[in-house]
Amino acid sequence: ETGVTQTPRHLVMGMTNKKSLKCEQHLGHNAMYWYKQSAKKPLELMFVYNFKEQTENNSVPSRFSPECPNSSHLFLHLHTLQPEDSALYLCASSQGASGGGEQYFGPGTRLTVT
Amino acid sequence: GQSLEQPSEVTAVEGAIVQINCTYQTSGFYGLSWYQQHDGGAPTFLSYNALDGLEETGRFSSFLSRSDSYGYLLLQELQMKDSASYFCAVRVLNTGGFKTIFGAGTRLFVKA
Repeated sequence: ETGVTQTPRHLVMGMTNKKSLKCEQHLGHNAMYWYKQSAKKPLELMFVYNFKEQTENNSVPSRFSPECPNSSHLFLHLHTLQPEDSALYLCASSQGASGGGEQYFGPGTRLTVT
Repeated sequence: GQSLEQPSEVTAVEGAIVQINCTYQTSGFYGLSWYQQHDGGAPTFLSYNALDGLEETGRFSSFLSRSDSYGYLLLQELQMKDSASYFCAVRVLNTGGFKTIFGAGTRLFVKA
């Protein structure tokens, strides 16, 4: 257990569905991240939030919409996804978004788009 | 552009020592991290180097040479449970702020 939880752990959705991924961290961190991990590809950083403010959006398509209501919770709203969006979506948190070091990852949500 | 290179696979025997290299081409380099990820699991942090030299944590050590844009993760007294993927990640600071860039990962197979 890393102190970062994600729900659901598995999700299958059609291309016309709308769903949301949830992440919660119990570590008192200020920064939270969404990553996409596809098979045999590097981890792709999608969004960064620092003190609830979005500080990075790495050219992510608008069909992915993040929401950070407070420093402990992070959501990823999904709509009209494509099959190539099927991947493991990882949430992480850290003490700050600046400097180096340690990010704590959640277990991920395995998303399959049909 | 920013890029990291690490071997895709490494195989070693139980009890041996293995070194996983990572070379990077980035601007605004700030530090190098290593993460371990078992199949079906989440990445877990192993080490972080911001300065040149060797950092040791138990059986794992990490090295950085900023002048050579190179680092490595050293695993000693290999155990079967060390079979996993290992990612290097570079932290960079540019005009847009901090970013973390991950390598594609090195799959380590430990054989009995």
